[in-house]
Amino acid sequence: EDKVVQSPLSLVVHEGDTVTLNCSYEVTNFRSLLWYKQEKKAPTFLFMLTSSGIEKKSGRLSSILDKKELFSILNITATQTGDSAVYLCAVVSGSEKLVFGKGTKLTVNP
Amino acid sequence: EAGVAQSPRYKIIEKRQSVAFWCNPISGHATLYWYQQILGQGPKLLIQFQNNGVVDDSQLPKDRFSAERLKGVDSTLKIQPAKLEDSAVYLCASSLLGANTEAFFGQGTRLTVV
Repeated sequence: EDKVVQSPLSLVVHEGDTVTLNCSYEVTNFRSLLWYKQEKKAPTFLFMLTSSGIEKKSGRLSSILDKKELFSILNITATQTGDSAVYLCAVVSGSEKLVFGKGTKLTVNP
Repeated sequence: EAGVAQSPRYKIIEKRQSVAFWCNPISGHATLYWYQQILGQGPKLLIQFQNNGVVDDSQLPKDRFSAERLKGVDSTLKIQPAKLEDSAVYLCASSLLGANTEAFFGQGTRLTVV
């Protein structure tokens, strides 16, 4: 069974801190890994990663994939209160299924 | 570009009643997903359509849940009869060409079964 495990499950930091969120996976015929941000109901897309070692970057957020060790990290630098959300990691399998982890709840305090 | 539309936004029903949710994906998107998200958990895939064919429904409780996507566009998800543990947010998403393209989510339907 395809499995996506995120850690930590929750994290509380102060504005300005840097955080690293982890995602490990076991999936048949890995195709890609995606990160989403969920603030209220609808998850919004952040990154899609398909190749190892290539960092994707968008402002203060960045992510990298290690296909040998089967994990990805999402980094957020200089956190702001607006970064408070649940961050979801999802993996696409060879059967084209999109499977999500439980998410990491990030709280950024002023 | 219009996003994924879902209705209703909220629904409260008694256990053993039936309920239906509707989803209109982004125009031209071939792949449509229904996810169940219980509070504090990640979205769980219930069913995935490619056009009007089913790609995966392995986690759909078929004794009570059903879904269809007529003409490869809109989709409905039905629960009959509902149980207390079905209380969750039901998210619909669509992507252009399969799961390897970005999925866009609707605002979801929050179902409360009492």
